[in-house]
Amino acid sequence: AQRVTQPEKLLSVFKGAPVELKCNYSYSGSPELFWYVQYSRQRLQLLLRHISRESIKGFTADLNKGETSFHLKKPFAQEEDSAMYYCALLNSGGSNYKLTFGKGTLLTVNP
Amino acid sequence: KAGVTQTPRYLIKTRGQQVTLSCSPISGHRSVSWYQQTPGQGLQFLFEYFSETQRNKGNFPGRFSGRQFSNSRSEMNVSTLELGDSALYLCASSLATGHTGNTIYFGEGSWLTVV
Repeated sequence: AQRVTQPEKLLSVFKGAPVELKCNYSYSGSPELFWYVQYSRQRLQLLLRHISRESIKGFTADLNKGETSFHLKKPFAQEEDSAMYYCALLNSGGSNYKLTFGKGTLLTVNP
Repeated sequence: KAGVTQTPRYLIKTRGQQVTLSCSPISGHRSVSWYQQTPGQGLQFLFEYFSETQRNKGNFPGRFSGRQFSNSRSEMNVSTLELGDSALYLCASSLATGHTGNTIYFGEGSWLTVV
C-alpha cells in the first residue's frame, strides 16, 4: 500500500534561515509527487509537482527514488511562508486516481 | 478561469440527519474527487468520479456516497450523521488525462459540524 510520511508535525525557523520539510513515500510504481500548502483560512493550493522540476516562491523539491524522498527546501525562509505543508502521492494507475497525503508539517517562520 | 466551487461553505447538522454537499469542478475537468480533512486523521480520500463513474472509493462506511452528473458537477451525501463526521470536506478536480493533466486542484471546502 502506498504511504506518505512527514516526520515533523511542527517546524519553527527564523526569517532568513534555510528550511527543509521532509517527505518520504512508499509506492510500488513510478511515483507522482506533489507539495500542497494551506495558508491560514485559505484553500489547499498546489505548490510544486515533481514532474515540473520548477521553483515556486523560492521552494524546490527533488525526487530521490533511491531514498524514496521528496523533501521541500527553501534557502531563505520568509514570514509569509508560515503555513501547513502537505506532501502527497498520486496513484493514477488502473482504476485508481487518488492522492495519498502525509499528515502535514506546520511551518512557522519567526521574525 | 473559475476554480473549484463548493457549496455550502458552512453547515450545522444534528446527529442522525443526512447532508448533501455540492461541487462544481474547473471547466473542462472530468475527474472529481472528495476528501475529508480532520485534525486527527488529516486528509483522507473518500471517492473519485470520472465521466459519471465512480472509479475508486476510500475506506469509509457506506453512509458516505456520491455521484457525478453529465456536466461533471458532483455531490456527496452522508446519511445518519455521527459526531465524528464533523470535518472539512474538500472537493478536487483534475483533467486526469496523463502526466500533464494530473494536477489536482482543490475547492475551499464545506465545513460540516454535527451536533
